[in-house]
Amino acid sequence: KNEVEQSPQNLTAQEGEFITINCSYSVGISALHWLQQHPGGGIVSLFMLSSGKKKHGRLIATINIQEKHSSLHITASHPRDSAVYICAVGGQGNLIFGKGTKLSVKP
Amino acid sequence: EPEVTQTPSHQVTQMGQEVILRCVPISNHLYFYWYRQILGQKVEFLVSFYNNEISEKSEIFDDQFSVERPDGSNFTLKIRSTKLEDSAMYFCASSNGLAGNNEQFFGPGTRLTVL
Repeated sequence: KNEVEQSPQNLTAQEGEFITINCSYSVGISALHWLQQHPGGGIVSLFMLSSGKKKHGRLIATINIQEKHSSLHITASHPRDSAVYICAVGGQGNLIFGKGTKLSVKP
Repeated sequence: EPEVTQTPSHQVTQMGQEVILRCVPISNHLYFYWYRQILGQKVEFLVSFYNNEISEKSEIFDDQFSVERPDGSNFTLKIRSTKLEDSAMYFCASSNGLAGNNEQFFGPGTRLTVL
């Protein structure tokens, strides 16, 4: 049983393209996290959201609690955005992770 | 900017040996976590720690694993007798509140290789 599903698994884009990564979950949550994992392995928190929409620079995250779905958008993508983007959901004590979406942005 | 640090960055050990992975969480954080990521797979929760005791653990965290906060700054993960399948990247994280609705700050990870 996959509690957190991400799509697509892999995504290749040209520099400048608008990118959307989707996350669906099946459990009740208090918040959803979007994380970025660099090629070297390090993990950085991008967003934590429990409703609505958040924006940080070229990144936008939205969540629909009723539909149990979230999207991460990247506007004007750049090769430095190439990374694995991970959706994780939290109830109270711990996070349940998706498998990640590997994004490659070509110049 | 405060950050979570982990040592060593890479540990190679023989099967059956004990390993201790070390983490220094952000100083004013109260909740600490260990996660692992087997190569090519998703990140998995191991254990959370609050108020000097385990608050939650996963099925992966069996009797071979233990955690400790030996002083005011370090947070360690011990694997008593390593198995080949313990080879993975181990991430420490810390947060101000419960993981579900508080931002987590991750360390750079320790890559454990069991031969």
